[in-house]
Amino acid sequence: DIVMTQSPDSLAVSLGERATINCKASQSVLYRSNNKNYLAWYQQKVGQPPKLLIYWASTRESGVPDRFSGSGSGTDFTLTISSLQAEDVAVYYCQQYDSTPYTFGQGTKLEIK
Amino acid sequence: EVQLLESGGGLVQPGGSLRLSCAASGFSFSTYAMNWVRQAAGKGLEWVSSIGNSDGSTYYPDSVKGRFTISRDNSKNTLYLQMNSLRVEDTAVYYCAKRTDGSGSRGGSFDIWGQGTMVTVSS
Repeated sequence: DIVMTQSPDSLAVSLGERATINCKASQSVLYRSNNKNYLAWYQQKVGQPPKLLIYWASTRESGVPDRFSGSGSGTDFTLTISSLQAEDVAVYYCQQYDSTPYTFGQGTKLEIK
Repeated sequence: EVQLLESGGGLVQPGGSLRLSCAASGFSFSTYAMNWVRQAAGKGLEWVSSIGNSDGSTYYPDSVKGRFTISRDNSKNTLYLQMNSLRVEDTAVYYCAKRTDGSGSRGGSFDIWGQGTMVTVSS
């Protein structure tokens, strides 16, 4: 199984500042045949289901604000929120969908400082 | 409007069974693979099962293999999860989620999620 490890577990950032969340996979999720990283990022607000933010490691889902961006390849990935807004308070999860069992990181709780 | 609506959750004793349903609307259900994902209270997300769009391919993690069965009825735009031999540790909110692709173990991300249905396994 591919183990996904996020860091940090929690993060407090001031409004307007940058927030960075890391995700490390225990083995590569890059598929050489199509050069795609099978890595997604989700946002989950309290009492709501998860929402897809980023797929293929760096492609923003339709309707997601451009302050959210994803980067990385192979085993190391980053979700960046360039200028934190109050509505970004949530738990963020990375997920690999390269092979079953599909696995999620443990989550990173993002709060306002 | 694209929507997934789960139902069928409830309280069941250990060793019991429950069948969850997920009604899909607003998209071509038969085109996409579908999943179940669960979340225990205060915990993270755990993928539970996946089914291909029309080839019948199914996938499970070891934690539920042999106890849970995912199925779909494309004529009714409905996804199911039959859960047998339930354990206390199966207690969670169960979400159905649409995959962005049709089939295969090397899959797609989960772009549409339902609101979830609560399953409680307790004596």
